[in-house]
Amino acid sequence: DTGVSQNPRHKITKRGQNVTFRCDPISEHNRLYWYRQTLGQGPEFLTYFQNEAQLEKSRLLSDRFSAERPKGSFSTLEIQRTEQGDSAMYLCASSLAAGVVSYEQYFGPGTRLTVT
Amino acid sequence: DAKTTQPTSMDCAEGRAANLPCNHSTISGNEYVYWYRQIHSQGPQYIIHGLKNNETNEMASLIITEDRKSSTLILPHATLRDTAVYYCIASSYNTDKLIFGTGTRLQVFP
Repeated sequence: DTGVSQNPRHKITKRGQNVTFRCDPISEHNRLYWYRQTLGQGPEFLTYFQNEAQLEKSRLLSDRFSAERPKGSFSTLEIQRTEQGDSAMYLCASSLAAGVVSYEQYFGPGTRLTVT
Repeated sequence: DAKTTQPTSMDCAEGRAANLPCNHSTISGNEYVYWYRQIHSQGPQYIIHGLKNNETNEMASLIITEDRKSSTLILPHATLRDTAVYYCIASSYNTDKLIFGTGTRLQVFP
């Protein structure tokens, strides 16, 4: 399968614990995006990378959240000191950008986080 | 990015065409109309996009009005597997991010 993959698919954690999610994009894609989706709502943008550079972060991304893409391939999203309000589906997407033009995004299956 | 307005839900009989409308009256000249769908418990899936001409691919057709203030996604022969939430997004071609609304929940029934 050459699509976007995310691990783990489900994570249950206790409030106050740290969690880390991984996203592996489509191999030739240079842009990688993180979104968060809560029940009944559309996905909300969190941050994106072009290669290894993090180019934009949403106001939704508090300082407890950090994302990295160290070699411009896979990415990790870490949440420190989790809160119940962090419970959501975390989606990763990738796209191919050529110059200033970015083509359609391809999404992974998501990681569902439950904070108890 | 321009705001879009979609009906909350629609029904369609299997085998019939599903026509999903979207209003984007404040769309600007460099913004495309993108359609994605999300089947329950999966990530969104790209369907089609267009600027001002009608577009067709193996999944759907996109009809954009001449003034570009609205569009319609057409699934020509809906199947039960097309049951999903459909999102219409207006965004520039060099967009960094997609701004999703709440979409249209399409239920295809036998």
